[in-house]
Amino acid sequence: ELKVEQNPLFLSMQEGKNYTIYCNYSTTSDRLYWYRQDPGKSLESLFVLLSNGAVKQEGRLMASLDTKARLSTLHITAAVHDLSATYFCAVEETSGSRLTFGEGTQLTVNP
Amino acid sequence: DAGVTQSPTHLIKTRGQQVTLRCSPKSGHDTVSWYQQALGQGPQFIFQYYEEEERQRGNFPDRFSGHQFPNYSSELNVNALLLGDSALYLCASSLAGYNSPLHFGNGTRLTVT
Repeated sequence: ELKVEQNPLFLSMQEGKNYTIYCNYSTTSDRLYWYRQDPGKSLESLFVLLSNGAVKQEGRLMASLDTKARLSTLHITAAVHDLSATYFCAVEETSGSRLTFGEGTQLTVNP
Repeated sequence: DAGVTQSPTHLIKTRGQQVTLRCSPKSGHDTVSWYQQALGQGPQFIFQYYEEEERQRGNFPDRFSGHQFPNYSSELNVNALLLGDSALYLCASSLAGYNSPLHFGNGTRLTVT
């Protein structure tokens, strides 16, 4: 059974600081997604990572995938308050199959 | 271009009752998946429908059933509701065979009292 673990689960950081969220998974996969969820809202797709070494950046967020280490990272650069949300990574075992989500990282960016 | 739409947005039911949730996929998508998200947790896969058939199923009891219609829309039915079924139910659509992320609807918040 595929397991996906995120850490930290809770992250409180100051504006302007950098930090990284980690996503480890237990079985072979080269398809990983990052989603953002605001309180009471649905999931917003941030990144799709489809191969080993994939790196994608959007604004202050950058995601990478190391399939050999079964690890993805979401790096936050110079955080701003608007980034406060819960971030989920999700792994797809094979194309078109179910997504297995991590527990989520609740990020709070303080002024 | 309409995204994934779900109805209703909120629902309150009593233990033992039955509920039906509805989902219309994003235009052009043919596959619908349902997820349950309990408070403070990540979404859990319930099942996926393609070509009007259940293609994959997660670890949910038979009380959870679904259907996909020829226009690709889908329903999720839950019988004999339990308090533990209270959650946000998310529908996601995709196009089979393409490397694209799931597009999620805004969800239905189900409360069982």
